[in-house]
Amino acid sequence: DTTVKQNPRYKLARVGKPVNLICSQTMNHDTMYWYQKKPNQAPKLLLFYYDKILNREADTFEKFQSSRPNNSFCSLYIGSAGLEYSAMYLCASSRGQGANTLYFGAGTRLSVL
Amino acid sequence: GQQVQQSPASLVLQEGENAELQCNFSSTATRLQWFYQRPGGSLVSLLSNPSGTKHTGRLTSTTVTKERRGSLHISSSQITDSGTYLCAMGGSSNTNKVVFGTGTRLQVLP
Repeated sequence: DTTVKQNPRYKLARVGKPVNLICSQTMNHDTMYWYQKKPNQAPKLLLFYYDKILNREADTFEKFQSSRPNNSFCSLYIGSAGLEYSAMYLCASSRGQGANTLYFGAGTRLSVL
Repeated sequence: GQQVQQSPASLVLQEGENAELQCNFSSTATRLQWFYQRPGGSLVSLLSNPSGTKHTGRLTSTTVTKERRGSLHISSSQITDSGTYLCAMGGSSNTNKVVFGTGTRLQVLP
């Protein structure tokens, strides 16, 4: 089963409110990623966990937090949503180290009003 | 930081024609991956190869690491091939960072 599951599929949030997105995989993959995708733009890497080690991109370091309580789950947390956070959020996982094949979830579409 | 450029941005073909999609990356990559996304669908991995040529079905991925480029060849295109093709670059072997290009939107007409 090469399934990555994301919840919820759609999320509505108010400006200034927190948002928590969930991702899970049952492939026992070492690495889990979060990407932000806006129309006509490349998926933008926000952060990834390799095992228990969190790597956050420098330009989004303060905007996004994440936790990985166990190998299967990974969350993406926005402390205070702004209009610019409206986007599709994609979770992916991969096995081992060295940028192996990524498996993506269906995504969570976040709309901030 | 690492950058990935794809060309063309969009491509329209008649069914049966071949497609050649290009991907250029700014720094040394250990692996180039190609993904496909149908409108409203998930990103699906097509091919992944660090260098050289790899085939699956009508798809051929070629990566020339030293020249920092790769390509995806689609032979005998079908209407169901329509969608967006994205390439992604993995960095050095001790990092799991993967950076994407903006994609090529392919439309195959009957």
